[in-house]
Amino acid sequence: DAGVTQSPTHLIKTRGQQVTLRCSPKSGHDTVSWYQQALGQGPQFIFQYYEEEERQRGNFPDRFSGHQFPNYSSELNVNALLLGDSALYLCASREYMNTEAFFGQGTRLTVV
Amino acid sequence: GQSLEQPSEVTAVEGAIVQINCTYQTSGFYGLSWYQQHDGGAPTFLSYNALDGLEETGRFSSFLSRSDSYGYLLLQELQMKDSASYFCAVRDEGRRDDKIIFGKGTRLHILP
Repeated sequence: DAGVTQSPTHLIKTRGQQVTLRCSPKSGHDTVSWYQQALGQGPQFIFQYYEEEERQRGNFPDRFSGHQFPNYSSELNVNALLLGDSALYLCASREYMNTEAFFGQGTRLTVV
Repeated sequence: GQSLEQPSEVTAVEGAIVQINCTYQTSGFYGLSWYQQHDGGAPTFLSYNALDGLEETGRFSSFLSRSDSYGYLLLQELQMKDSASYFCAVRDEGRRDDKIIFGKGTRLHILP
């Protein structure tokens, strides 16, 4: 079992650009959540997908959007990048309503 | 909304016991989880409490008091490899299903 895999591992983008991050959940998991983690901080909840639908959303602007595919994999899109979007983006998967979330290693996004 | 409070840093000696406290405020509450994150790594699940009381898993124990909106993680027989950040996380009742919201984390330093 490969666990949760994210790509790419690192990414450098320029202000104003758009970025797409990808996540493949652990086998058997149908719920995918995305988190933003700034250095020295806890993971901040962006949104959660289940049945290809955004089910929950945190306090993030509409520049942050996502998608879930029929195979449960997911994408996070960020438009009009700001310097403040520089962070580690974590994907977590679990079985629907299960208590334990499994995290990927994250994508380190740097906006310059 | 939700808020979680935990100390930003704790220092303890190898072989000793340390307790990391967490208080939370949330509109809907299913349970409290604890996650460990080493530098450069992904958060990994340690424990989950849905009911009041103590849950023990090896050297780690976690406690919950729902009436006090309070929990703690207890680490015994500390080892150098326990140096990491520890996050409490509430499993919060959302609009249609749950979501997992993290605290800012407690950095545990272990002295030899």
